[in-house]
Amino acid sequence: SQTIHQWPATLVQPVGSPLSLECTVEGTSNPNLYWYRQAAGRGLQLLFYSVGIGQISSEVPQNLSASRPQDRQFILSSKKLLLSDSGFYLCAWKAGFVGTQYFGPGTRLTVL
Amino acid sequence: AQSVSQHNHHVILSEAASLELGCNYSYGGTVNLFWYVQYPGQHLQLLLKYFSGDPLVKGIKGFEAEFIKSKFSFNLRKPSVQWSDTAEYFCAVNTGGFKTIFGAGTRLFVKA
Repeated sequence: SQTIHQWPATLVQPVGSPLSLECTVEGTSNPNLYWYRQAAGRGLQLLFYSVGIGQISSEVPQNLSASRPQDRQFILSSKKLLLSDSGFYLCAWKAGFVGTQYFGPGTRLTVL
Repeated sequence: AQSVSQHNHHVILSEAASLELGCNYSYGGTVNLFWYVQYPGQHLQLLLKYFSGDPLVKGIKGFEAEFIKSKFSFNLRKPSVQWSDTAEYFCAVNTGGFKTIFGAGTRLFVKA
């Protein structure tokens, strides 16, 4: 069966520090991968998605970037964190265009 | 741009009360519709989905949703809620591409 991992589970970082959040999927090949940010009362904001290795589509111009170095690995990064980057970050995968998305456990990021 | 509106951000019900959570979307073409649920401390997971066929779909834990194309709606219902239904519920729409658009979510609290 498929499994999706995210780490770390929680992270507290100072403003201006770098960020690297990792997501890996097991049990499937060539998944479509997604990064979302969940904010209270605002639902899930799609940040990036990827349909293959090295391919990244950005939905919201901001202080973050994403990379997909391997088929089942998706990384969210920042060179310098802002206070506004605080939030709950979710990774998800989907097989194909249409279908159910499967979400990871999320990372709670607090920028101080 | 496509959007998804959930009418209630917070709902408080007593056990055994009936539930209906509203969801409307803005897109004139073919859609695939989802309700996801996030129980406290758990991953976001699929509750039910509609792709085609019978517009009344049934999901897990006694939930159902009705797709009304003329109203661009996909409301979630449950005849009798339980304390364990306390969670955040998200409506989502996919219009055939890689992206799925999520609503802002509805937090349901069921009083025992």
